[in-house]
Amino acid sequence: AQKVTQAQTEISVVEKEDVTLDCVYETRDTTYYLFWYKQPPSGELVFLIRRNSFDEQNEISGRYSWNFQKSTSSFNFTITASQVVDSAVYFCALSEAEGAQKLVFGQGTRLTINP
Amino acid sequence: DAMVIQNPRYQVTQFGKPVTLSCSQTLNHNVMYWYQQKSSQAPKLLFHYYDKDFNNEADTPDNFQSRRPNTSFCFLDIRSPGLGDAAMYLCATSRVRAYNEQFFGPGTRLTVL
Repeated sequence: AQKVTQAQTEISVVEKEDVTLDCVYETRDTTYYLFWYKQPPSGELVFLIRRNSFDEQNEISGRYSWNFQKSTSSFNFTITASQVVDSAVYFCALSEAEGAQKLVFGQGTRLTINP
Repeated sequence: DAMVIQNPRYQVTQFGKPVTLSCSQTLNHNVMYWYQQKSSQAPKLLFHYYDKDFNNEADTPDNFQSRRPNTSFCFLDIRSPGLGDAAMYLCATSRVRAYNEQFFGPGTRLTVL
C-alpha cells in the first residue's frame, strides 16, 4: 500500500529564515509520481511541483527547491528566505503510475511565517 | 482563465436533509474528482470520474453519490447528511495520465446543523 508521511505537523519561523518541509513515502511501485501542493487559508490546493520516480534531479524554482532521494524515499521541500505569503498548509502526495491519478496525501505541514 | 468552479462556497444544511454540491470546469479535462477534507486533515478521495466512468473508493459511504452529466459538470449528492459529514468538499480535475497534476476548485464548506 502507498503511504506518505509528513512528520512535521506545524512549523513556525520568522520571515527570511530558510525552512525545509519533510516528506517520506512508501510504495511498491517502481514507477510513481510525487507532488507538492500548497493550501493557503483560502482553501484551494495549488500545485507546486511534480517528480517522477526516474528523475532524481533536484529542482529549484525561485525561492523554492526540492530534493528527491530514492535511497531514503524522501522528497523534501525547502523555502529559502521565507515570506509571510508562504504561510499555508503544504501537502506532499504520491500517485500510482497507471490510469487516472489517485493521489495519496500526507497529513500536511502547517507553515507559519511570522513577520 | 481556465478554472475549476465550485458552488456554493458555503452550504448549510440540516441533519438528514439532502444537499447537492456542484463543480464545473473550463479545462476540458477527462477526469474529475471529489475529495472530503475535514479540519486539519488531508483531503480524502471519495470518487472520481474518468470521462463517464464512475470510480468509487471502497470506503466511501453509500450516503455519498455523484453525477457527471457532461464533461464540464460534476455533482456531489449527500443523501442524508450527518454531523460527521461537515467538512470542506474539494473538486479537482486532471488530464488522464497519472503524471498530470490535479487542478483544484476553491471548495465548498458544508455545515450540518
